[in-house]
Amino acid sequence: QSALTQPRSVSGSPGQSVTISCTGTSSDVGRYNFVSWYQQHPGKAPKFIIYDVTKRPSGVPGRFSGSKSGNTASLTISGLQAEDEADYYCCSYAGSFTWVFGGGTKLTVL
Amino acid sequence: EVQLAESGGGVVQPGGSLRLSCTASGFTFSTYPMNWVRQAPGKGLEWVSNIRDSTTDTFYADSVKGRFTTSRDNAKNSLYLQMDSLRVEDTAVYYCVRDSLWSFDNWGQGTLVTVSS
Repeated sequence: QSALTQPRSVSGSPGQSVTISCTGTSSDVGRYNFVSWYQQHPGKAPKFIIYDVTKRPSGVPGRFSGSKSGNTASLTISGLQAEDEADYYCCSYAGSFTWVFGGGTKLTVL
Repeated sequence: EVQLAESGGGVVQPGGSLRLSCTASGFTFSTYPMNWVRQAPGKGLEWVSNIRDSTTDTFYADSVKGRFTTSRDNAKNSLYLQMDSLRVEDTAVYYCVRDSLWSFDNWGQGTLVTVSS
């Protein structure tokens, strides 16, 4: 149950695109198409923004998209907005009803 | 509207016990698996435990296995986390989280557990 690997921080200017990577292993990210992403603003509970690698829950803007290649999943945020500044966490199902999160990435909108 | 409200957090000494509760509303609680996820101060998220909607099957992270016990009372729309043999490293905000087909679609606001002498 080792944590997934995310960059500690990324940044971008308003209107630009940023991509956050999430690297796991063949036992989690590489094995299951059950990668999800969460956005967390300071002092708030996490918010569900991507599930099943690429799907967006109702109400999540289309600027948020997910993908996966091998053992690495990615979250791309296009058309960056000031309110996108937050911490982002990936999560993967790891089998036998267990899950593993990434260490989190702090997104700064310059 | 789905609502999840945790309670029971507080300060406890190392080796002590604490029981967290989560009251759910706005959905048919008995048909959803539920989870506990925690976040140590200034740190990332850590999945802690899952309980199936059947109420009898539970699963735990290695870090809490044998010390924490998750249960639910579907008649009361409630989820519980019994935490025993608490360690300093268990200090965290504990979130009650609804499971929606392999991801976590609704989160409570969390309750803070502090383990300190």
